Amino acid sequence: GQQLNQSPQSMFIQEGEDVSMNCTSSSIFNTWLWYKQDPGEGPVLLIALYKAGELTSNGRLTAQFGTTRKDSFLNISASIPSDVGIYFCAGSDRDDKIIFGKGTRLHILP
Amino acid sequence: DTEVTQTPKHLVMGMTNKKSLKCEQHMGHRAMYWYKQKAKKPPELMFVYSYEKLSINESVPSRFSPECPNSSLLNLHLHALQPEDSALYLCASSQEFLEQGGTGELFFGEGSRLTVL
Repeated sequence: GQQLNQSPQSMFIQEGEDVSMNCTSSSIFNTWLWYKQDPGEGPVLLIALYKAGELTSNGRLTAQFGTTRKDSFLNISASIPSDVGIYFCAGSDRDDKIIFGKGTRLHILP
Repeated sequence: DTEVTQTPKHLVMGMTNKKSLKCEQHMGHRAMYWYKQKAKKPPELMFVYSYEKLSINESVPSRFSPECPNSSLLNLHLHALQPEDSALYLCASSQEFLEQGGTGELFFGEGSRLTVL
């Protein structure tokens, strides 16, 4: 089946730094979604993107739907401790299924 | 607080037991999903119900049996599971399934952590 390649796998940053992560696919996706999952909880939707080239913000988070429809990135500005967690990109494929990338683990160094 | 409620939060069962996981949403969503998530892995789709009908079954073994009694409830019946079935089982809902013009925005519950001994 289709796969999403998400990078980096993990990040170790200082509080206050900006963060960038991305997702690529070998085929076109119609929708890109970014989720965050905290330990012991289900994923929570952060940003949804529906059009190629679309740039959307949600507070300190900004995400873009790539113009080729095969990639998306998520930026977090001025990271804070509660940003720690696993960030998943997800996309809807040609079979109308939502599939997930392998996740980016964000760690904030004390 | 999530608007998708899953029970139980934790379940330990033997390989010969029969148990069920339950999921409830009151957002008026017409699509409901079961995902399985192993440790340090992304969620993997198991089943999709749209308007109370099974739309997608991702070749899940028959020891997992989904049921959608009404548009607010989704169950996952478990029977003769294997230790490798131990995982976090996530229920999600969306306003509509993609095929019916939905946006793909899924709302997840907190999950039921299953351990099979």
